[in-house]
Amino acid sequence: GAVVSQHPSRVICKSGTSVKIECRSLDFQATTMFWYRQFPKQSLMLMATSNEGSKATYEQGVEKDKFLINHASLTLSTLTVTSAHPEDSSFYICSARGPSGGGLQNEQFFGPGTRLTVL
Amino acid sequence: GQNIDQPTEMTATEGAIVQINCTYQTSGFNGLFWYQQHAGEAPTFLSYNVLDGLEEKGRFSSFLSRSKGYSYLLLKELQMKDSASYLCAVMEYGNKLVFGAGTILRVKS
Repeated sequence: GAVVSQHPSRVICKSGTSVKIECRSLDFQATTMFWYRQFPKQSLMLMATSNEGSKATYEQGVEKDKFLINHASLTLSTLTVTSAHPEDSSFYICSARGPSGGGLQNEQFFGPGTRLTVL
Repeated sequence: GQNIDQPTEMTATEGAIVQINCTYQTSGFNGLFWYQQHAGEAPTFLSYNVLDGLEEKGRFSSFLSRSKGYSYLLLKELQMKDSASYLCAVMEYGNKLVFGAGTILRVKS
């Protein structure tokens, strides 16, 4: 249980285009999902917290107009990188807060990540 | 502010025991996690400590001292497949995870 998927796993796009990444909780409902970015040889940096039915909370220094987050259902959050540039190339990872009950509500379950390359 | 420190790299021999330390200073504390991450993959959960003491899970154990802001991950009977990055992460209030920079462990034969 508690499986999170991401799609696509890899994407290459031209500079100036927009890219949408989907994060799905497959076997549980996730009211809260998180989006992270990881540059090579660095750790995960939280970009934003996505709450179902409300606006995302962005971390300091993350442009909310550039990284659009939509959490329209209890099993899906999307991250859209708008007007992507080469410096946005990174590994984007989502996670979902575990289902309440059963002791998993404090755990985050990670998706497999999306490798974005902007040419 | 937030500060999570762990060694950048460690090397150990197959079959040996290795301890990866993590010290933290965060604005809130709702538990400490250890994750394993292989290159190009997402982190996988190893352990969770919220109370002081040792949690053992097979070849992996994790220790927490909240008063000292200190944790360690102990890996026993090292195998080559244990070569990976190990991430220490503190959960702050609101379920926000703050990650350390990670420790790259190299297991040699």
